[in-house]
Amino acid sequence: NAGVTQTPKFRILKIGQSMTLQCTQDMNHNYMYWYRQDPGMGLKLIYYSVGAGITDKGEVPNGYNVSRSTTEDFPLRLELAAPSQTSVYFCASSYSVGGNSPLHFGNGTRLTVT
Amino acid sequence: DQQVKQNSPSLSVQEGRISILNCDYTNSMFDYFLWYKKYPAEGPTFLISISSIKDKNEDGRFTVFLNKSAKHLSLHIVPSQPGDSAVYFCAATSGTYKYIFGTGTRLKVLA
Repeated sequence: NAGVTQTPKFRILKIGQSMTLQCTQDMNHNYMYWYRQDPGMGLKLIYYSVGAGITDKGEVPNGYNVSRSTTEDFPLRLELAAPSQTSVYFCASSYSVGGNSPLHFGNGTRLTVT
Repeated sequence: DQQVKQNSPSLSVQEGRISILNCDYTNSMFDYFLWYKKYPAEGPTFLISISSIKDKNEDGRFTVFLNKSAKHLSLHIVPSQPGDSAVYFCAATSGTYKYIFGTGTRLKVLA
């Protein structure tokens, strides 16, 4: 099993450009998440989804959008990229919620906005 | 408001000795605590967890201890191996989608 797959691995954007970070999982997990990690900081939740067609905001949603048309895919859209969005982005999935259902992470997308 | 804190950014330990990574929390509603391990250029991977109703959980070389009165947990790795060199994140959850992560501790195991 591939687990959680993220593309691209790296990307450099100019201010004002837009892009979509792709995330797909093959574990049939209902829950999917997008986190960002800034240097010296913990992971912050951007958006999450509890199933196809259902998404909701996390702690830091401004400047991002998501969709969940299938169980497998959970793309993250950046509109009008800003330098504050320079970060490493991790997609994750879980079967359920709570400590009995740990998160499975992808390998991340390193984004630089200049 | 940092609900989960890892106050040591880094730790160096000799191979074969014990590594102790610490984590403090403020929210008494957390009911599960998890440790994740992260290698460079990879995503975090789940290592071990503990329910708030327990004070110890062991899995091979890894043991997590929970002291609820002190709102403190620790991860013990015995014996430490060079392959354990990574960043370790503590996380807490209260049974919902929301996991609160600490800032991580970089462990270096010296051969």
